[in-house]
Amino acid sequence: QVQLVESGGGLVKPGGSLRLSCAASGFTFSDYYMSWIRQAPGKGLEWVSYISSSGSTIYYADSVKGRFTISRDNAKNSLYLQMNSLRAEDTAVYYCALMTGWGQGTLVTVSS
Amino acid sequence: DVVMTQSPLSLPVTLGQPASISCRSSQSLVYSDGNTYLNWFQQRPGQSPRRLIYKVSNRDSGVPDRFSGSGSGTDFTLKISRVEAEDVGVYYCMQGTHWPWTFGQGTKVEIK
Repeated sequence: QVQLVESGGGLVKPGGSLRLSCAASGFTFSDYYMSWIRQAPGKGLEWVSYISSSGSTIYYADSVKGRFTISRDNAKNSLYLQMNSLRAEDTAVYYCALMTGWGQGTLVTVSS
Repeated sequence: DVVMTQSPLSLPVTLGQPASISCRSSQSLVYSDGNTYLNWFQQRPGQSPRRLIYKVSNRDSGVPDRFSGSGSGTDFTLKISRVEAEDVGVYYCMQGTHWPWTFGQGTKVEIK
């Protein structure tokens, strides 16, 4: 059974940085593409970033391009999201997602 | 970006009655491989989203057969044949054909 556990969220000031992690289990992580998807409080879903199974193909939403970096370590069954130059509008629950399974999310709050 | 437009945004339904949600895309979702990457997700209150339907009409494992998806090109529908109490939540369509992947605004299903 797919298990995805995010960590690393928290309160950060505008302009600050955070690194989110996602620990995967229950499936062969290295066989699957992964995504980060976020949901601002009381709002809908926004896809943030995609990484292929090998890490060779990466895409970002325009809203985060140049500020966020997705990566993965297949040996550690882990997915990461390095978030720099954070803005108030980045405040959201961030989900690590394989389309057939999502984590519980980690809350990122950007506020002074 | 491909705009996904759902209707209605709010759907009060009577238990045991059918429900239908429409999703329209701003351009065709047929990919070069002939597949149409249109998914439906359910988000119950306080929970992470889960995928119900992939490639227009394929139910994910464990999804009750009262859920069905249909459509083609730019026009898609999610139907619930007989609404149960556990179906309360927000439903999102999502296209995975064009980068960036995009979600509809969400349709809130509640019991009358």
